[in-house]
Amino acid sequence: EVQLVESGGGLAQPGGSLRLSCAASGFTFSTYAMSWVRQAPGKGLEWVSGISDTGGSTSYADSVKGRFTISRDNSKNTLYLQMNILRAEDTAVYYCAKANYDILTAIDYWGQGTLVTVSS
Amino acid sequence: DIVMTQSPDSLAVSLGERATINCKSSQSVLYSSNNKNYLAWYQQKPGQPPKVLIYWASTRESGVPDRFSGSGSGTDFTLTISTLQAEDVAVYYCQQYYSTPITFGPGTKVEIK
Repeated sequence: EVQLVESGGGLAQPGGSLRLSCAASGFTFSTYAMSWVRQAPGKGLEWVSGISDTGGSTSYADSVKGRFTISRDNSKNTLYLQMNILRAEDTAVYYCAKANYDILTAIDYWGQGTLVTVSS
Repeated sequence: DIVMTQSPDSLAVSLGERATINCKSSQSVLYSSNNKNYLAWYQQKPGQPPKVLIYWASTRESGVPDRFSGSGSGTDFTLTISTLQAEDVAVYYCQQYYSTPITFGPGTKVEIK
């Protein structure tokens, strides 16, 4: 059974940093691209970033480019999102998401999400 | 960036009736080399993460009831729920994965009339 478990969310101050993690199990992690997708309270879905199976290719939404960094450790079956220079508009539930194959395929599994709140 | 729009914003349908949701992309998401539309549909129920229903515009995910179907090509797509059940109350999103940044539509809320 595929499981994606996010952690690392919480309260951060504007301008601060947080690092999200996603522990993956139930599939061969190193074979699939992964993404982070966020959802602000009461709003729709926004793709944040994606990373290829090897980690050699990454992509970002314009809203986070230069502030967020996606990475993965295939030896630990873990996906990360380093979030710097946080803004109030980054407040959202952040979902870890598994691609069906590479970044340009549908998302077939989602974690339960971790809430990030940016406020002073 | 490819902009996704959906219509209507919300709809109320009687149990057992048909629900139709439209999705339009600002540019074609049909990849000519493989003739595939890079378009998916997701269902999100309150307090839950999204769940994929349809990918490649018309391929139903394993385990998804056959009352859900997807159609369309190029820039215009439709998700149809043939006979609405109570458990189908949710927000439905279309998504293009033709190019990054991957983008979602704003969502369509489906309720029971």
